[in-house]
Amino acid sequence: ILLTQSPDTLSLSPGESATLSCRASHIVPALSLAWYQRKPGQAVRLLIFNSSKRATGVPDRFSGSGSGTDFTLTISRLEPEDFAVYSCQQYGNKPWTFGQGTKLEFK
Amino acid sequence: QLVESGGGLVKPGRSLTLSCAASGFRFSDFYMTWIRHVPGKGLEWLSYSDTTGDYTDYADSVRGRFTVSRDNNDNLFYLQMHSLGVDDTAIYYCARRHGFSDLWGQGTLVTVSS
Repeated sequence: ILLTQSPDTLSLSPGESATLSCRASHIVPALSLAWYQRKPGQAVRLLIFNSSKRATGVPDRFSGSGSGTDFTLTISRLEPEDFAVYSCQQYGNKPWTFGQGTKLEFK
Repeated sequence: QLVESGGGLVKPGRSLTLSCAASGFRFSDFYMTWIRHVPGKGLEWLSYSDTTGDYTDYADSVRGRFTVSRDNNDNLFYLQMHSLGVDDTAIYYCARRHGFSDLWGQGTLVTVSS
């Protein structure tokens, strides 16, 4: 399953909301979609699994939604530490695959 | 936490073994996964092992060249890589769980170049 994320880059300011898209080439079974945050020099952080479930310790300004082939990560009230690269991953069908990433940058 | 080691510069066709040291959780209770990030591209799932190492699975791109194993006594997870090519240049991560991964290491860089 090929995952395409959009946009490639999103330029926003702290306090604004971000909407990131992940589109799959085929239906992702059983809502098996996760979102990760990637920052240079830091471990990759799991944000969302099973499409909408927040991982332990993830603030509630991060929310996931979607099913089938269309999934969304929404980050409300952006904080400075939220500016990073976000990747989606499907684990419903092997080989598990990742999107190419969306870079959230300061406007 | 997870800490990878063993990366470095290696010539095409050679082999390299990566290690992942786990701490802070009951290692033997968890499946473990290797994932890599090729610069400029997305993440790529490579392989995972069940809790004992008896069952493993691989991406087609590395099947037959890479082998995963684990030592539950010393909380170590390994990736043996053979017949390396320039396309294997990447940051290699170990991660906890299979499917989605809830704990990642910081990665180790493998550069394949002559």
